[in-house]
Amino acid sequence: AQSVSQHNHHVILSEAASLELGCNYSYGGTVNLFWYVQYPGQHLQLLLKYFSGDPLVKGIKGFEAEFIKSKFSFNLRKPSVQWSDTAEYFCAVKGSGYSTLTFGKGTMLLVSP
Amino acid sequence: DSGVTQTPKHLITATGQRVTLRCSPRSGDLSVYWYQQSLDQGLQFLIQYYNGEERAKGNILERFSAQQFPDLHSELNLSSLELGDSALYFCASSVSGASGDTGELFFGEGSRLTVL
Repeated sequence: AQSVSQHNHHVILSEAASLELGCNYSYGGTVNLFWYVQYPGQHLQLLLKYFSGDPLVKGIKGFEAEFIKSKFSFNLRKPSVQWSDTAEYFCAVKGSGYSTLTFGKGTMLLVSP
Repeated sequence: DSGVTQTPKHLITATGQRVTLRCSPRSGDLSVYWYQQSLDQGLQFLIQYYNGEERAKGNILERFSAQQFPDLHSELNLSSLELGDSALYFCASSVSGASGDTGELFFGEGSRLTVL
């Protein structure tokens, strides 16, 4: 069975600080990887995704993530966060075929102005 | 707006009662997923339907059931409710093929259930 581990449950940053949220997964085969974001009071939205190809993927709002296959990692980064990035971030993995999308427990990011 | 519609947005009920949550997927999406989000458990996959048939089952209690109708909308039925069932219930949809889907889901705004 696949699983996802997010390293930090809560992160507090000041505006303009750099962000890196860790995500590791366990699965024996090919995976599709995702970061979803949930702004306060809203539904989950796709931030970025990796299916294949360039392991450095860019998403919306200046976010990017790097897939490192040897480390089973898919860390999320942003060079300079804004107050509006305050949200909960979920890493998710899906294996091949009929396997379902599995989410990590989420990281709550609070950006202070 | 994701195109996925969930009703009701909020629901308050008592222990032992039964409720039904409704979801309409994005136009053209054949798969519907139900997730439960709570503070202690995070996002838990409950069940997936594809074109009217159950495709995958996750951590869904026996007191819970779901179905997908011919028009592709889905309902999640929660019965004999307990305090611990209080949570946000999300529906999501995706375009699925015969060999599965990519995992890219489109989420509704959720139904917040409070059991008193």
